[in-house]
Amino acid sequence: RKEVEQDPGPFNVPEGATVAFNCTYSNSASQSFFWYRQDCRKEPKLLMSVYSSGNEDGRFTAQLNRASQYISLLIRDSKLSDSATYLCVVNNFSASKIIFGSGTRLSIRP
Amino acid sequence: EAQVTQNPRYLITVTGKKLTVTCSQNMNHEYMSWYRQDPGLGLRQIYYSMNVEVTDKGDVPEGYKVSRKEKRNFPLILESPSPNQTSLYFCASSKSFPGEYEQYFGPGTRLTVT
Repeated sequence: RKEVEQDPGPFNVPEGATVAFNCTYSNSASQSFFWYRQDCRKEPKLLMSVYSSGNEDGRFTAQLNRASQYISLLIRDSKLSDSATYLCVVNNFSASKIIFGSGTRLSIRP
Repeated sequence: EAQVTQNPRYLITVTGKKLTVTCSQNMNHEYMSWYRQDPGLGLRQIYYSMNVEVTDKGDVPEGYKVSRKEKRNFPLILESPSPNQTSLYFCASSKSFPGEYEQYFGPGTRLTVT
């Protein structure tokens, strides 16, 4: 079983829709979590951190569920420019480990 | 402009011919790292460095070497490249261990080994 798993998609949704995807992790000692965005053939860039209390940045909301060991990303009122691959990142400080999920591809259609 | 640079951006080489991919950051970051990205496997960490002269293996270090003689530079060395090292490589840096801090990525190096 992979340490971090994501549904690869693609998720194909119309502009304006709400879309959500999850990322599950297997190591309960994981301590910090992030979502990165990667456009085709480009480098990943930080989208947002994920806090225990959840956090929101405009149309984006990230949640952490430690009991079930997953993080989620919700995108409201999706735009064409949201089309990208979304990577979840899970960190274990004590083991100095950083694990990237393989990404979920999102495609927004007009 | 704060950035991570990598060179070359594209490289086609033959099996066994030693190569070096350079990585440099101008943000005075302590932590630097190399990843490879393959379809369906995501980004996998090759090596990382917590600071100058401090390097450690990531998840897939076989066939690679690194050095960190200066804070800004973290070259990746393939002593004897093989076709299974054909991949997209990213260098990244962060202020400290990226469990707490954002990682900044270079633009990537697409390597083909024939």
